[in-house]
Amino acid sequence: GQNIDQPTEMTATEGAIVQINCTYQTSGFNGLFWYQQHAGEAPTFLSYNVLDGLEEKGRFSSFLSRSKGYSYLLLKELQMKDSASYLCAVWRNQGGKLIFGQGTELSVKP
Amino acid sequence: DAGVTQSPTHLIKTRGQHVTLRCSPISGHKSVSWYQQVLGQGPQFIFQYYEKEERGRGNFPDRFSARQFPNYSSELNVNALLLGDSALYLCASSSGGPGQGAHGYTFGSGTRLTVV
Repeated sequence: GQNIDQPTEMTATEGAIVQINCTYQTSGFNGLFWYQQHAGEAPTFLSYNVLDGLEEKGRFSSFLSRSKGYSYLLLKELQMKDSASYLCAVWRNQGGKLIFGQGTELSVKP
Repeated sequence: DAGVTQSPTHLIKTRGQHVTLRCSPISGHKSVSWYQQVLGQGPQFIFQYYEKEERGRGNFPDRFSARQFPNYSSELNVNALLLGDSALYLCASSSGGPGQGAHGYTFGSGTRLTVV
């Protein structure tokens, strides 16, 4: 089976740091992706992890532990424009597909 | 360069009708995938096409079908529409085949389908 869990909603303050967690159980794993999606828009790529560890890209970092089936997305120096839904997704080569979690709706308050 | 383009952007249909959604991939991309995103949920995989052949299929009924044309554009067809088919339908294109990961996977802005 396949199951990807992430919190439904989070709230944080402008300028702060927020960590969005994602746990997964899938029958196949070929990498984990994080996407950002503003309301009514397409998901846009943020990060990709296939090996354990931390990947840093500007204000965004993503961590993966394959043995624990766990990832997190870290957003630093939050800005109002970071208010969006953040989607965790596992890539499966078999069938060539992304399996998404339900998304975490992040609200950044002034 | 144009990104992934989908048409129409919005659509309202009645239960039982048929709908066709269209997607044009990024120039040079040969793979197109379709996803359904119900409000408040993450996208769910429907199909992947690569080089005009179906390479992957999600857990959707036979009412859902798709095809890819020689120019790599794609159509998603849904027959006998149900209220539950109301969703944002996303198309994603990439240059690689099914075994080449989701790198360069670019989503279109989607078609918002409402079934009444």
